[in-house]
Amino acid sequence: GAVVSQHPSWVICKSGTSVKIECRSLDFQATTMFWYRQFPKQSLMLMATSNEGSKATYEQGVEKDKFLINHASLTLSTLTVTSAHPEDSSFYICSASGIGRARTGELFFGEGSRLTVL
Amino acid sequence: LAKTTQPISMDSYEGQEVNITCSHNNIATNDYITWYQQFPSQGPRFIIQGYKTKVTNEVASLFIPADRKSSTLSLPRVSLSDTAVYYCLSVEGGGADGLTFGKGTHLIIQP
Repeated sequence: GAVVSQHPSWVICKSGTSVKIECRSLDFQATTMFWYRQFPKQSLMLMATSNEGSKATYEQGVEKDKFLINHASLTLSTLTVTSAHPEDSSFYICSASGIGRARTGELFFGEGSRLTVL
Repeated sequence: LAKTTQPISMDSYEGQEVNITCSHNNIATNDYITWYQQFPSQGPRFIIQGYKTKVTNEVASLFIPADRKSSTLSLPRVSLSDTAVYYCLSVEGGGADGLTFGKGTHLIIQP
């Protein structure tokens, strides 16, 4: 399957700082990327959908000014958690799809990035 | 999106066949049943997808009856490394939306 890579895999930061997480599609062009958040022992929750070159679409209840998403190229999307607080500590996962690259419903997921805010 | 219901957890032993059933009573005509596997601290991995009848690949089989109101993921001869959370999703054919994950089934394989 296609490869989607996230960086960093884990990050610890102080409260009030901003953290950027990168999501790259390594062997295909990702026209759409999705960002998920997963708390311990819970399921994945879709945060936002980003299409290359356009503004991200956020799910209800997700603060767009808090979670900045940029999808500037067909291989890179970034999630920036601004002014992070301890309640933002979570496992953030990106996924990507491309035209003609995958069957219906087959998304390629990154390894995830664990954020811990002190 | 059709809601899916699956058991919260299951236990089995190495070498056994494990069947995980998923209910999707309100599945739409153009929805596909898709299963993902997730290990702790990793992103989900696509396992298998089907529309109806039976689909088999190198890791699993998927059985979907004619009414499509349920489906069964079958894992042959499981090993300890199959311990994971398995998610059943109903996905719109041709759709480009992000996937909606339910609670999943935590499968624990014992020696």
